[in-house]
Amino acid sequence: DQQVKQNSPSLSVQEGRISILNCDYTNSMFDYFLWYKKYPAEGPTFLISISSIKDKNEDGRFTVFLNKSAKHLSLHIVPSQPGDSAVYFCAASFRNTGKLIFGQGTTLQVKP
Amino acid sequence: DSGVTQTPKHLITATGQRVTLRCSPRSGDLSVYWYQQSLDQGLQFLIQYYNGEERAKGNILERFSAQQFPDLHSELNLSSLELGDSALYFCASSVGTMNTGELFFGEGSRLTVL
Repeated sequence: DQQVKQNSPSLSVQEGRISILNCDYTNSMFDYFLWYKKYPAEGPTFLISISSIKDKNEDGRFTVFLNKSAKHLSLHIVPSQPGDSAVYFCAASFRNTGKLIFGQGTTLQVKP
Repeated sequence: DSGVTQTPKHLITATGQRVTLRCSPRSGDLSVYWYQQSLDQGLQFLIQYYNGEERAKGNILERFSAQQFPDLHSELNLSSLELGDSALYFCASSVGTMNTGELFFGEGSRLTVL
């Protein structure tokens, strides 16, 4: 039972353009949603999060949008840079536990 | 550098064998989590420890076990290894257990079972 899904295995965008990564979830009880970035041979690193009571959170070039009615969240990267090329994981958590439930990941390639 | 240390980085072993993966959390973090990432898969939650006690369990096989020691480092023991156990095993840590989900991950231990 995949509670968090990233249906696009890969995405390619031009440098300077917007990257939009999508994530769907099935459990309406999740309290937090997070995005992690992973470079090869490294562990995932936290990028940005959003509480389930909000619909938008912004941090520099990164913005996460949450649509609770659609059980959908997205990560926008504007402008995209070649250094953003990585695997992006969407994750969700419940307030009373620390464990994260991850999606399968989307590989973003930003072309110069 | 996340501050989470995992050893070994790479491990090659045979089916039926047993291995131990080690994790040192960030200084001050009380929670340790283990995740498994198989080929083309997301990270699957295995188990969480908080201050020495098991806190949450995921899809961890009975052949796998873990513990967290008084100095807060943790070990993941994998026994009767099968080919399908080949994966990246990540350890992560956080300050507490009731948090917003921000975990700090180590670089992972890549296990290859031949």
